Amino acid sequence: QLVLTQSPSASASLGASVKLTCTLSSGHSNYAIAWHQQQPEKGPRYLMKLNSDGSHSKGDGIPDRFSGSSSGAERYLTISSLQSEDEADYYCQTWGTGTVFGGGTKVTVL
Amino acid sequence: EVQLVESGGGLVQPGGSLRLSCAASGFTFSDHYMDWVRQAPGKGLEWVGRTRNKANSYTTEYAASVKGRFTISRDDSKNSLYLQMNSLKTEDTAVYYCARVYCSGGTCYSNTFDYWGQGTLVTVSS
Repeated sequence: QLVLTQSPSASASLGASVKLTCTLSSGHSNYAIAWHQQQPEKGPRYLMKLNSDGSHSKGDGIPDRFSGSSSGAERYLTISSLQSEDEADYYCQTWGTGTVFGGGTKVTVL
Repeated sequence: EVQLVESGGGLVQPGGSLRLSCAASGFTFSDHYMDWVRQAPGKGLEWVGRTRNKANSYTTEYAASVKGRFTISRDDSKNSLYLQMNSLKTEDTAVYYCARVYCSGGTCYSNTFDYWGQGTLVTVSS
């Protein structure tokens, strides 16, 4: 069964960097995923599609501060030069027998 | 500019029905797969279901939690997506989002939503 696992929370100081992880369950390490951001009281916003080789394509208007990388079954989202507006929930998504979401990571900007 | 605008949410009693709509603009709606996703208060995102495009026979798929109760349809002539919800339960209370599946060059990438609506709230309560 395809499962995406995310840490519930992460934090970093204003201007610093934070790296979020989305782990694919066993047997699915070659899957591509997508990353989405959900700011408080807003709908989700697409950030990027991330392939197993680390190549990624970002959505319209997504700042260069957001980047993606991959290693084995892990998919990463790195946010550099953290801004206050980056405080949000971040979800990874893929497709198995239906769309699958990770549980989300809440990022706090200190 | 791509826009997805949901409507039709509201308060409904358990066992009741509701029909949500998603009006699409700014892109060729008929080319895309479209999904419904929901988010219960304070919870994460949960997939509801999908309709594929005409080229893929408008096939649909549903999450186990809604299968047999919810029906997804679309009207490409109106650039609209629908979610008919029957036999509603209190646990169906959520904000419902429509989402566009990324398609390019005739290929739809099932694992990627590239646009979302702002959501519509459905509350199931007596």
